Amino acid sequence: ETGVTQTPRHLVMGMTNKKSLKCEQHLGHNAMYWYKQSAKKPLELMFVYNFKEQTENNSVPSRFSPECPNSSHLFLHLHTLQPEDSALYLCASSQRTGSTKPNTGELFFGEGSRLTVL
Amino acid sequence: AQTVTQSQPEMSVQEAETVTLSCTYDTSESNYYLFWYKQPPSRQMILVIRQEAYKQQNATENRFSVNFQKAAKSFSLKISDSQLGDTAMYFCAFGSGNTPLVFGKGTRLSVIA
Repeated sequence: ETGVTQTPRHLVMGMTNKKSLKCEQHLGHNAMYWYKQSAKKPLELMFVYNFKEQTENNSVPSRFSPECPNSSHLFLHLHTLQPEDSALYLCASSQRTGSTKPNTGELFFGEGSRLTVL
Repeated sequence: AQTVTQSQPEMSVQEAETVTLSCTYDTSESNYYLFWYKQPPSRQMILVIRQEAYKQQNATENRFSVNFQKAAKSFSLKISDSQLGDTAMYFCAFGSGNTPLVFGKGTRLSVIA
C-alpha cells in the first residue's frame, strides 16, 4: 500500500475544462511536491510546499494552480490547459529538516495522474 | 546549480546477467545525498538505493549496489542477477540540504528472458 495516494489515476479533459488533481500522504511528512513527467524529458519540478507554505514555483504557467490546505493534502487545479500539458503528474512527499523526524532526503511518490488534454 | 547526467537512454540485459547504469553529477556542495529510483511500467516510482556523500563505503541493497566515486562525481548502479521484474526506468537523483532533488533524464532498462 502506497503512503502517497493520487486521484484520479487517469484524466481526459478539453482545453476549456476545469479539473483538479488530488494527492494525499499518510506518512507524516512536512513537504509535498508536484512533478511533471513527459516522454523523453527529465522530471520537471513544478511546486514545493513546506509546512503548507509554497516554497518553490518553478516558472509554472498560471493555468496550473496548486493548493495545499494542510501538510497531508495537495491539489493541482487545472484550467484552460494546452495539448502539450498532457503528461504524467507525480506527487511526492518528504521529511525536511526542521522537524523531529530525521531527514533522509528521500522522496516518496504517488502512482501519478495521467493527464490527456484534447 | 546541480546537474545530473545519465548518458544511457536505453539498455538491455539478459536475465541473470549483471548490468551497470551510469550517472554523473555536478555540484559544489560537499555534503549531499545520491539516489537511484526505479519506475516500473505504469507503476509507482520507488527508491532503490541511497548513498550519503560523506560515506566512503559503497551502498548495497541485495542485488543492487553502487560505485560512488566522489572525486569523479560518478554514481553508477550495478544490478546483479538481473530479473524480469527489474525492467523499468531508472533515475539517478541528487539531493542537498532542503533543496528539492534534481533528477537525471533516466535510463530505460529492459531485462530479456
